[in-house]
Amino acid sequence: NAGVTQTPKFRVLKTGQSMTLLCAQDMNHEYMYWYRQDPGMGLRLIHYSVGEGTTAKGEVPDGYNVSRLKKQNFLLGLESAAPSQTSVYFCASSSRDRDNEQFFGPGTRLTVL
Amino acid sequence: AQSVTQPDIHITVSEGASLELRCNYSYGATPYLFWYVQSPGQGLQLLLKYFSGDTLVQGIKGFEAEFKRSQSSFNLRKPSVHWSDAAEYFCAVGNAGGTSYGKLTFGQGTILTVHP
Repeated sequence: NAGVTQTPKFRVLKTGQSMTLLCAQDMNHEYMYWYRQDPGMGLRLIHYSVGEGTTAKGEVPDGYNVSRLKKQNFLLGLESAAPSQTSVYFCASSSRDRDNEQFFGPGTRLTVL
Repeated sequence: AQSVTQPDIHITVSEGASLELRCNYSYGATPYLFWYVQSPGQGLQLLLKYFSGDTLVQGIKGFEAEFKRSQSSFNLRKPSVHWSDAAEYFCAVGNAGGTSYGKLTFGQGTILTVHP
């Protein structure tokens, strides 16, 4: 099992550009999450999904959109990137059968110039 | 609202010394508590978790944590630190049930430096 994978690993954008980050998991988990990690702030939840076709806002959702068309994939979109979105983005997944333990991907480092 | 505080941003210990990382939480019901570790450039790995039962939980890599409800704390400990333990450590609190199942709130993290 690959676990949780993220694509791409690194990306540099110019202000106003758009992009999509892809998260995939092969553990058949119901729940998936997108976090951003900034120095001294820990991980903050952007959006999450409790099942295919459903998404919900987390703590810092502004400027991001998500979609979960397939159970194994969770996409994070930036429609018009801003320098404040420079961060490391982590995807995670979990299952009620695994006591809510979240499994994390390796992260995507995004820089917005 | 749930919250987690890790009072120590950075801790330095010598190899072989004991370690305690502090975590305080705020939560309205019985919390689910976690400790994760992040090595540089890596994702987060679960060290241990507490849901119920014995308040002293054992984790991987020789770590343990104790849940103290009266103090709203879940401190992480290790009796003898190894150089490979240098990393950033995150405490997290979660809930269960309803549409919020699975959501975690993380602390700010504690960076551990180990001196030889």
